[in-house]
Amino acid sequence: AQKITQTQPGMFVQEKEAVTLDCTYDTSDPSYGLFWYKQPSSGEMIFLIYQGSYDQQNATEGRYSLNFQKARKSANLVISASQLGDSAMYFCAMRGKTGGGNKLTFGTGTQLKVEL
Amino acid sequence: EPEVTQTPSHQVTQMGQEVILRCVPISNHLYFYWYRQILGQKVEFLVSFYNNEISEKSEIFDDQFSVERPDGSNFTLKIRSTKLEDSAMYFCASSAIGLAATDTQYFGPGTRLTVL
Repeated sequence: AQKITQTQPGMFVQEKEAVTLDCTYDTSDPSYGLFWYKQPSSGEMIFLIYQGSYDQQNATEGRYSLNFQKARKSANLVISASQLGDSAMYFCAMRGKTGGGNKLTFGTGTQLKVEL
Repeated sequence: EPEVTQTPSHQVTQMGQEVILRCVPISNHLYFYWYRQILGQKVEFLVSFYNNEISEKSEIFDDQFSVERPDGSNFTLKIRSTKLEDSAMYFCASSAIGLAATDTQYFGPGTRLTVL
């Protein structure tokens, strides 16, 4: 079975600072994908960034980067130069090729608040 | 940019009534999904659908639930006899391929279902 753990229920960061949101995972699949989604207060789920288990380099997408440490089974999201609009719930999710089928397994989320 | 759309944005129904939630996936995508999120909780997988049949379902997806692709664009989730505990945000998602762990699922804005 696949499992995602997000241990930070809430985080605060000052505007323009960087912040790291933690995510650890557990799977027996040799091939898997890790995803981060943003959920603003309006409720929609916005895809942010993806990391494949065989990718040699950490994924980056604009101000988002993923600190992927395969041996430690962690896939932390780093947001650089935080903006007020980054205030939202952030979910880490994973998908495996076998065992987990084609569904996404989500963590419990981290509520990020960006302050002036 | 193509996006997943869902209607209605909010549905209020009486316990025991049938509801149909509608989704229009991204046009060239082949795999479709429903997830739900009870208020304040994590996102949970319900069902995935490919080639006009269910490819995977969770234990939540019991006989009260059904999915259908009635035409070339819509994807629907039906709840036959709603219960109070069905109150949640329901997300539709779609992906291009579906079988690869690397395949990104794109979510619609959600339908908030309230069962009274």
